[in-house]
Amino acid sequence: EVQLVQSGPEVKKPGESLKISCKASGYKFTTYWIGWVRQMPGKGLEWMGIIYASDSDTKYSPSFKGQVTISVDKSINTAYLQWSSLQTSDTATYFCARHAGSYYRMPDFWGQGTLVSISS
Amino acid sequence: QSVLTQPPSVSAAPGEKVSISCSGSPSNVGNNFVSWYQQLPGTAPKLLIFDNGKRPSGISDRFSGSKSGTSATLAITGLQTGDEADYYCAAWDSSLSVGVFGGGTKLTVL
Repeated sequence: EVQLVQSGPEVKKPGESLKISCKASGYKFTTYWIGWVRQMPGKGLEWMGIIYASDSDTKYSPSFKGQVTISVDKSINTAYLQWSSLQTSDTATYFCARHAGSYYRMPDFWGQGTLVSISS
Repeated sequence: QSVLTQPPSVSAAPGEKVSISCSGSPSNVGNNFVSWYQQLPGTAPKLLIFDNGKRPSGISDRFSGSKSGTSATLAITGLQTGDEADYYCAAWDSSLSVGVFGGGTKLTVL
């Protein structure tokens, strides 16, 4: 059974750094693309970017490139999303999601979401 | 402004059929696979349809998907109150080299 289990909710201040995680199980981690989707409060889904777990090849949405970093640790089947300097506008729920077989196929399995709250 | 265009809301009575449209362009819907997701309040999205019209194991055949040109449609028959949710279409955009979602459609079962 494919499972993506994300780290818990975070409360941070503007300017702080953060790294959230997504641990995959139930499939061969290194043969799939895995990525992140943002959902701001009361809003729709926004595709942020993906990474190929085998070689860390990444594709970012222009809206998020330079704002976040997507990485993996294939030794522990875990993907990460990190910020170096958070802003209040980063307040959102972040979902990790596995792309279905190829990067051009949209996600088939999703994590439960990580709520990130940024406030001074 | 989302790359894929969906109606903000649709509604229908229990037992009826509803269709949700998703309009894109040749670089996304027109030449790539469309997926559809259901998001119940406070939960993660769930895949309903992939590759334009295929259902994952465990998804009811009340849900069906189709595509024609640069538009895709999700149809739900035999509506139930439990179908009340937000529905999103998604596709890869070959020109932008990114994934794109529709803005979402809120389904109300009256």
